[in-house]
Amino acid sequence: DTGVSQDPRHKITKRGQNVTFRCDPISEHNRLYWYRQTLGQGPEFLTYFQNEAQLEKSRLLSDRFSAERPKGSFSTLEIQRTEQGDSAMYLCAGRTEPNYGYTFGSGTRLTVV
Amino acid sequence: ELKVEQNPLFLSMQEGKNYTIYCNYSTTSDRLYWYRQDPGKSLESLFVLLSNGAVKQEGRLMASLDTKARLSTLHITAAVHDLSATYFCAVEPDSNYQLIWGAGTKLIIKP
Repeated sequence: DTGVSQDPRHKITKRGQNVTFRCDPISEHNRLYWYRQTLGQGPEFLTYFQNEAQLEKSRLLSDRFSAERPKGSFSTLEIQRTEQGDSAMYLCAGRTEPNYGYTFGSGTRLTVV
Repeated sequence: ELKVEQNPLFLSMQEGKNYTIYCNYSTTSDRLYWYRQDPGKSLESLFVLLSNGAVKQEGRLMASLDTKARLSTLHITAAVHDLSATYFCAVEPDSNYQLIWGAGTKLIIKP
């Protein structure tokens, strides 16, 4: 148990459907990050929250992607009108202060068929 | 463009041997991270290196950081099968808080 929970662990969806993932960090994680990882690659940054404010968004994050972190606690990542290229592992990470490491959750593996 | 390059990308070695994984990066940064990933699993933090000359050791793994050369190394001493995994380095540029990742080094240690 890393202290960062992600749900669901696996999601299979048909192309064109919407999906939503959830991330629950520990209460001390005022910083929360979403990354995407495809097979054989390193993770790619998607977006970053400090408390409830979304401070950075990657150019990778098209208009079909939206993320929220209401009240600075859990976070959701929604993908609308999924495409096969969205198939990947979606990783959430929490962090307290800049001099500490990132704690990753177990990830949500998305397969778009 | 910010780049993080790991070398080698694939390494097969025998138990008991020593080896080093290299991580070069193109941006100024004082923060470098090493992670381990087992197949189908998430990322496990190994080391956080926060300053030039930082050296950290945990068991058979030792990591170091040279910010002037923009180089970090992960040294494996007397490898054992349980260390088989993919190892990633990631750099946090001075200008922001996102991580830029290497492509990973897949390490296979044969008994």
